[in-house]
Amino acid sequence: EAGVAQSPRYKIIEKRQSVAFWCNPISGHATLYWYQQILGQGPKLLIQFQNNGVVDDSQLPKDRFSAERLKGVDSTLKIQPAKLEDSAVYLCASSIQDRDTDTQYFGPGTRLTVL
Amino acid sequence: LAKTTQPISMDSYEGQEVNITCSHNNIATNDYITWYQQFPSQGPRFIIQGYKTKVTNEVASLFIPADRKSSTLSLPRVSLSDTAVYYCLVGGHDTGGFKTIFGAGTRLFVKA
Repeated sequence: EAGVAQSPRYKIIEKRQSVAFWCNPISGHATLYWYQQILGQGPKLLIQFQNNGVVDDSQLPKDRFSAERLKGVDSTLKIQPAKLEDSAVYLCASSIQDRDTDTQYFGPGTRLTVL
Repeated sequence: LAKTTQPISMDSYEGQEVNITCSHNNIATNDYITWYQQFPSQGPRFIIQGYKTKVTNEVASLFIPADRKSSTLSLPRVSLSDTAVYYCLVGGHDTGGFKTIFGAGTRLFVKA
């Protein structure tokens, strides 16, 4: 079974530029997550999709971050304009949520450096 | 969502059993406890999940007391390759879906 795919793996941009990340979840997984992980910290949830609808985006800085999940499969996360503090690893995860539990499968992440 | 508290770091030696305890005093009735492992430059990886008592798989055991206010991840006979960050998550179904929060994790260093 193929895992969660993310691209690019690394990205270096200057502040005020824009950037986009792509995620392809495991086939059949209805739930998709985007996390931001700053060095030395645990992953912080940015947005959670159930199929192509947003379940939770309470921690997404909506003035600069946006995300979409077209057709309930692939997803893109965009930052525009980027700030220095956006330097982090952006992780995508997917899961099949059964009635009681949830097991998330993570991609390798995209390491963003903002100069 | 219940907040979790774990030790920031732990040291161990190869071949020892390692127990990492997580506190979650405000766990809700329907919440499950899940542990993830993360190596540098990789995404977290699911280790084990449980609701109460004891759960065991090929990698680890999870001990949950009756009051469920804490849980302990047990790694038998660790090796150098078990050096990683271990996250304890508590979560359950909330409005709109399953909700969990990652804490800061426990950094485990296994020495030769």
